Amino acid sequence: EPEVTQTPSHQVTQMGQEVILRCVPISNHLYFYWYRQILGQKVEFLVSFYNNEISEKSEIFDDQFSVERPDGSNFTLKIRSTKLEDSAMYFCASSERSPREGTYEQYFGPGTRLTVT
Amino acid sequence: QKEVEQNSGPLSVPEGAIASLNCTYSDRGSQSFFWYRQYSGKSPELIMFIYSNGDKEDGRFTAQLNKASQYVSLLIRDSQPSDSATYLCAALFPNTGNQFYFGTGTSLTVIP
Repeated sequence: EPEVTQTPSHQVTQMGQEVILRCVPISNHLYFYWYRQILGQKVEFLVSFYNNEISEKSEIFDDQFSVERPDGSNFTLKIRSTKLEDSAMYFCASSERSPREGTYEQYFGPGTRLTVT
Repeated sequence: QKEVEQNSGPLSVPEGAIASLNCTYSDRGSQSFFWYRQYSGKSPELIMFIYSNGDKEDGRFTAQLNKASQYVSLLIRDSQPSDSATYLCAALFPNTGNQFYFGTGTSLTVIP
C-alpha cells in the first residue's frame, strides 16, 4: 500500500542552525502539507502546497519557514534559523485531490522529531 | 475563531463495550469532518470522514454528524485493547482552503 515517507526520523540541531526535513508523498497525490505537533499538544497546520506553489499557510509559517518540491518526488520543509520552540514532531501529508473537492482525505507520514538544543 | 473541541479524557472502557468519542466545532459553515487515530509517538491515521448529517458506518466504527448542533462523534463497537490510542477530530472550515483544524484529541484506553 502506498505511503508517505519522511526522513530523518529524528533530527537534533542547535539553536540558530538550518534544518531541512524531507518527505516523499504518495506518488499520484497532488496536494502536499506540513503539520507540526508539539509534545502533548494538538496537531497544527503549517502549509499546503499545490502546483508548485504555496496554496495556504498558517500564522506559524513565518519567514523562517520555506517549502520546496525540488524534483518530482520530494517535498521539503526548511527552517532557516531554528529556535527552541521549533522542537516538535513534523508531519508531512498528501492528498490525491483537494479535500474540498470531495472525499480526498490527507494521509500522514510517520513524522520527523525535531529537537532544538 | 476556528476551534475544534474534544474532551481530552482519558476515557476508559472495558473490552467489548462501545466507546463514544465526541467533538464540537465552532463554525456552523464547516462541511467536512475527519477522525484520526494516533498511537503514542506515531502519526495520525485516518479512520473515517463524514460530510452529511446522520450516521456513517465502517466496520466497528460509526461517525455521527449533527450540523445543527455543531457536533460530530465517533462510536467504536466491540472495543479492543488495540483501539487504545488518542482519537483526533479534524475539520475543514469555510474560506480556509485545505487546512485541517485538529482538536486536542481524546485518549481512549480499552481495558482487557
